[in-house]
Amino acid sequence: EVQLVQSGAEVKKPGESLKISCKGSGYSFTSYWIGWVRQMPGKGLEWMGIIYPDDSDTRYSPSFQGQVIISADKSSSTAYLQWSSLKASDTAMYYCARHSGNFDYWGQGTLVTVSS
Amino acid sequence: LPVLTQPPSASALLGASIKLTCTLSSEHSTYTIEWYQQRPGRSPQYIMNVKSDGSHSKGDGIPDRFMGSSSGADRYLTFSNLQSDDEAEYHCGESHTIDGQVGWVFGGGTKLTVL
Repeated sequence: EVQLVQSGAEVKKPGESLKISCKGSGYSFTSYWIGWVRQMPGKGLEWMGIIYPDDSDTRYSPSFQGQVIISADKSSSTAYLQWSSLKASDTAMYYCARHSGNFDYWGQGTLVTVSS
Repeated sequence: LPVLTQPPSASALLGASIKLTCTLSSEHSTYTIEWYQQRPGRSPQYIMNVKSDGSHSKGDGIPDRFMGSSSGADRYLTFSNLQSDDEAEYHCGESHTIDGQVGWVFGGGTKLTVL
């Protein structure tokens, strides 16, 4: 069974750093792109970027380029999304999703709350 | 970049039919889009893609009463025999490669209420 399991909810202060994870199982992790999608409270989906774990080829949405870093560790079948300095406006649910022509499997989401 | 426009809300009676719309920006009217369902408090789930000729390809386990179609820049998701379980947010999205840069864009989502 294909599964993407994300790390748990986080509460951070502005200026702090954060790295959240997405662990894939039940399929060949290095053979599919993994995307990250943001959903701010009560809003729609926003594509942030995508990585190919086999060679770490990464593409970013222009809206998120320079704001986050996407990485992957194929030895642990885990993709990551990280911030060096969080802002209150980063408060959102973040989803990882496998791409195979469409985003066919999604993680359960990681809620990130940034508040002083 | 492509822009996808969705009405923010829609409603219909239990057992009725309803058609949701996703409109592509005019210069991208031939693009294929994908529909995703997001039930309250859940992750999105892929439903189907819809091409400009109206052909569509559903995800695993998607019921026959979900259909896709197309007209010009509009892409539709039609439900027949609406069920309470269909109450959810429906997002359309598309992938593109422009000037060698790959990207994805989503519409704002339509919240479907089953009355």
